[in-house]
Amino acid sequence: DTAVSQTPKYLVTQMGNDKSIKCEQNLGHDTMYWYKQDSKKFLKIMFSYNNKELIINETVPNRFSPKSPDKAHLNLHINSLELGDSAVYFCASSLTPGVGELFFGEGSRLTVL
Amino acid sequence: GESVGLHLPTLSVQEGDNSIINCAYSNSASDYFIWYKQESGKGPQFIIDIRSNMDKRQGQRVTVLLNKTVKHLSLQIAATQPGDSAVYFCAVTFTGNQFYFGTGTSLTVIP
Repeated sequence: DTAVSQTPKYLVTQMGNDKSIKCEQNLGHDTMYWYKQDSKKFLKIMFSYNNKELIINETVPNRFSPKSPDKAHLNLHINSLELGDSAVYFCASSLTPGVGELFFGEGSRLTVL
Repeated sequence: GESVGLHLPTLSVQEGDNSIINCAYSNSASDYFIWYKQESGKGPQFIIDIRSNMDKRQGQRVTVLLNKTVKHLSLQIAATQPGDSAVYFCAVTFTGNQFYFGTGTSLTVIP
């Protein structure tokens, strides 16, 4: 059983398109996150939700809109994709905000052409 | 905020040798520290953590050392094996709701 699963694993699209990445965790955790990893492997937090409520929004362009329908799911929708959005996006979860182990998904590699 | 840096972006070691990966952080209020391992094509995986009330913690073949005076964290891997080849990240938190990740060190184990 995969603890944190995200789909799709690979996404190739044209500039200007809109795309979504979905994430689900079956760990019963309250907190979920989206991280962006650039080509230099730097991991930067984008958003964090605790029990469906947004608690962290790290100066991400408003083209990025997270949605948490319930505490087991955190989806990421991106409008008007730009070249600089190309990266690997990781979903993660933890029992409570910022404490204890972060469980990561396998990542979704987004390539914007 | 917090900035987290690693002293060496790449590290190559002979199989069987010990590896040491370093991390510096800037916020003296940081109170929880974690090391993650990321293998190619996978998400980061938890290795070991340490709280600010400790200066050393050991796991299986791994040891984390924390020096709060100089705001420095290190990960020691004993008897490094080819399966240890990966990118290693340190992460720190001080607010209780956000982890700040370091840049990452790529460890290559030479057979």
